[in-house]
Amino acid sequence: DQQVKQNSPSLSVQEGRISILNCDYTNSMFDYFLWYKKYPAEGPTFLISISSIKDKNEDGRFTVFLNKSAKHLSLHIVPSQPGDSAVYFCAASGGSNYKLTFGKGTLLTVNP
Amino acid sequence: EAGVTQFPSHSVIEKGQTVTLRCDPISGHDNLYWYRRVMGKEIKFLLHFVKESKQDESGMPNNRFLAERTGGTYSTLKVQPAELEDSGVYFCASSQGRDFGKLFFGEGSRLTVL
Repeated sequence: DQQVKQNSPSLSVQEGRISILNCDYTNSMFDYFLWYKKYPAEGPTFLISISSIKDKNEDGRFTVFLNKSAKHLSLHIVPSQPGDSAVYFCAASGGSNYKLTFGKGTLLTVNP
Repeated sequence: EAGVTQFPSHSVIEKGQTVTLRCDPISGHDNLYWYRRVMGKEIKFLLHFVKESKQDESGMPNNRFLAERTGGTYSTLKVQPAELEDSGVYFCASSQGRDFGKLFFGEGSRLTVL
């Protein structure tokens, strides 16, 4: 039973354009959401997070939007750069539980 | 500042053998986690230490897996005896208590069971 779903295994965009990565969740107890980026042969690195009390959080080129009623979040990267090419994981946690539940990841390829 | 280090980076063993993975967290991080990613699937939680105590081990697959954290510093994850389905990449991560969710991951230990 997958509680965090990333339905697009891959996404390809042109350099300079917007990348939009999507994530859906089913567990209503989740109240904190994160995005991690992973390059090959490396561990995931934290990118950005959002609490359920907000609907948007922005950090430079990266913005995460949360729609609680739809149980959906998205990561926007503007403008996309070739160095952004990586696997992006959506993750969620609930309450005071430190355990993160991850999605399967989306491979983003930014073409020069 | 040194990051999270894991050893070995890759281990190939035969079914029935034993493997021990080691993780050295970032100095001063009380929280240490083990996660596993089986090929192409999601990264799954295994367990969480706070200092030397197991806070949550709900993700441990079965009693063939044993995790320890000596003196609240480094941690080991032993698989004994290993089965084919144990193959995957085992990630260790650490965090400060106040930076909830912001985990620092190691590069992972790839385990291949033949």
